[in-house]
Amino acid sequence: SAVISQKPSRDICQRGTSLTIQCQVDSQVTMMFWYRQQPGQSLTLIATANQGSEATYESGFVIDKFPISRPNLTFSTLTVSNLSPEDSSIYLCSVEDPRTGVQHFGDGTRLSIL
Amino acid sequence: AQTVTQSQPEMSVQEAETVTLSCTYDTSENNYYLFWYKQPPSRQMILVIRQEAYKQQNATENRFSVNFQKAAKSFSLKISDSQLGDTAMYFCAFMKGGGSQGNLIFGKGTKLSVKP
Repeated sequence: SAVISQKPSRDICQRGTSLTIQCQVDSQVTMMFWYRQQPGQSLTLIATANQGSEATYESGFVIDKFPISRPNLTFSTLTVSNLSPEDSSIYLCSVEDPRTGVQHFGDGTRLSIL
Repeated sequence: AQTVTQSQPEMSVQEAETVTLSCTYDTSENNYYLFWYKQPPSRQMILVIRQEAYKQQNATENRFSVNFQKAAKSFSLKISDSQLGDTAMYFCAFMKGGGSQGNLIFGKGTKLSVKP
């Protein structure tokens, strides 16, 4: 399966600032996904990022708050903007193996807001 | 809309014993995948096992096996010979089939503790 590197692994940020999370894959993939896991909760899909097109956002998530870039087939970034305490979560990227339908996840970024 | 329900927030098992985690789902789709993921305290999401809905045979991976009851929309995970390293959150997940659909729908998870 693909090796997925996610950076940073954790960060503590001030209110009102932004954090950009990077996701690097060791092979070319068509679709990359960004999930949020709030404390003690399950994972919720934020958006799907395809190379060469705008990301597709799920209900409740907007581009102004969660801008996503997908410059090539091995890399994507998620920015969490105008941070507030409610944004304290783990953010995970994943890629799908089209042969099996399995999504493989990065190690996640734990974000805390002061 | 699809939903996934895990009715056991927490479970515990003695080392070397067997434990079964429950999962039910609701969908009108006929072609889909079901998954169990494990998330240890390190927070990495690790695939445990995968089941294709069109396959009647239950998936197995070493000590992990599922009981897939399509008509009942049930997908339980059995862990045999439990080990301390099995301590983790376990999430059941659903995904529509028919090509790259992307959206994994997760249950709320079951926290499993394996006791020595």
